[in-house]
Amino acid sequence: DAGVIQSPRHEVTEMGQEVTLRCKPISGHDYLFWYRQTMMRGLELLIYFNNNVPIDDSGMPEDRFSAKMPNASFSTLKIQPSEPRDSAVYFCASSLDSFGAVVTDTQYFGPGTRLTVL
Amino acid sequence: DAKTTQPPSMDCAEGRAANLPCNHSTISGNEYVYWYRQIHSQGPQYIIHGLKNNETNEMASLIITEDRKSSTLILPHATLRDTAVYYCIVRVPFLSGAGSYQLTFGKGTKLSVIP
Repeated sequence: DAGVIQSPRHEVTEMGQEVTLRCKPISGHDYLFWYRQTMMRGLELLIYFNNNVPIDDSGMPEDRFSAKMPNASFSTLKIQPSEPRDSAVYFCASSLDSFGAVVTDTQYFGPGTRLTVL
Repeated sequence: DAKTTQPPSMDCAEGRAANLPCNHSTISGNEYVYWYRQIHSQGPQYIIHGLKNNETNEMASLIITEDRKSSTLILPHATLRDTAVYYCIVRVPFLSGAGSYQLTFGKGTKLSVIP
């Protein structure tokens, strides 16, 4: 299994530009998460999807951020317009719903996209 | 989620066992102990989790005290590739009906494996 795939790995852009981050979850996983990691705030959950439907977007910082999941194998996180304070590493993670006696919601993370907004 | 306390850093000789402690004295009955690690410039990686029994998988062992107020992650034969920040997280699994998917990472323990 290739694991969670994210692109690009690095993105440098100028303030005001639109940024699109992409994620391909592990095949068969039905939960997808977008996180942001900074030194100051640590790892923050921005939004998550279940079966392509956004469930909780309370972590999305403001209207400049939007996320979509058009199908089970692809999701995007868009920032428009971008600002220097958006500079961070953005992680995508996926998880498989589990049923039965074993309760687990292990999340598998991608390598991240390091975003720098100048 | 219960608060956890971990030492900020530890060293371990290559080939020896690495024992990483975690205190979670306010853990509640339905909270699990999870361990993740983050190798430099990579995404967090799940290691192991448990409720009250000791657990072992291909990566590590998890020892939880009988009163569940502390636990130890054991890497039986540490290698240089195990150098990373290790996070102990106590949380209610979402699928149990009362939890959240948010993984709250504290500062963790920076483990340095020395040749």
